[in-house]
Amino acid sequence: AQSVTQLGSHVSVSEGALVLLRCNYSSSVPPYLFWYVQYPNQGLQLLLKYTSAATLVKGINGFEAEFKKSETSFHLTKPSAHMSDAAEYFCAVIGVGTSYGKLTFGQGTILTVHP
Amino acid sequence: DAGVIQSPRHEVTEMGQEVTLRCKPISGHNSLFWYRQTMMRGLELLIYFNNNVPIDDSGMPEDRFSAKMPNASFSTLKIQPSEPRDSAVYFCASSQERGRVQYFGPGTRLTVT
Repeated sequence: AQSVTQLGSHVSVSEGALVLLRCNYSSSVPPYLFWYVQYPNQGLQLLLKYTSAATLVKGINGFEAEFKKSETSFHLTKPSAHMSDAAEYFCAVIGVGTSYGKLTFGQGTILTVHP
Repeated sequence: DAGVIQSPRHEVTEMGQEVTLRCKPISGHNSLFWYRQTMMRGLELLIYFNNNVPIDDSGMPEDRFSAKMPNASFSTLKIQPSEPRDSAVYFCASSQERGRVQYFGPGTRLTVT
């Protein structure tokens, strides 16, 4: 079964610093991977998706993620953090076979941005 | 597009009462998903429908939970009787088809006292 693991439940950065949120996946087939963001008291918003095209995926708000098959990773980055980036971020993988269409989420990483 | 619409946004009820959560998916989407989010268990898929038909309800915690999708534009998640451990945020999401991007509603925050 497909799964994702997010390393670090909390990440804290200074405004203007690099943001790196880590996600590793487990999948028997090439996965479809997603990053979602959740602001306080809101639903989940899609940041970006990987669907086996380009390995470097650009998303909204200046975020991007790189699919690395050799490392089974799909880490999320942003060169310069902004205060408005403070939120919880979820990595997710789409199921295949009998689980086709089901999203499995990581535990989430809370990003704090300090002035 | 209005996005996925959920109602109510907040629900406070007493243990033993029936609770009904409602969802209107994005027009033209034929897959609908119900999730539950708690601090302890994170985001869990409860059930999902494809073309109004339940495909997988293995995430439904117990018989107190039921979900219906009578037509392509409406779904309900019912809890009867409700218990304090059902307190959580319940999200509905929809996608154009299985395997495509899922778009989430704002959620219903349920508190059972």
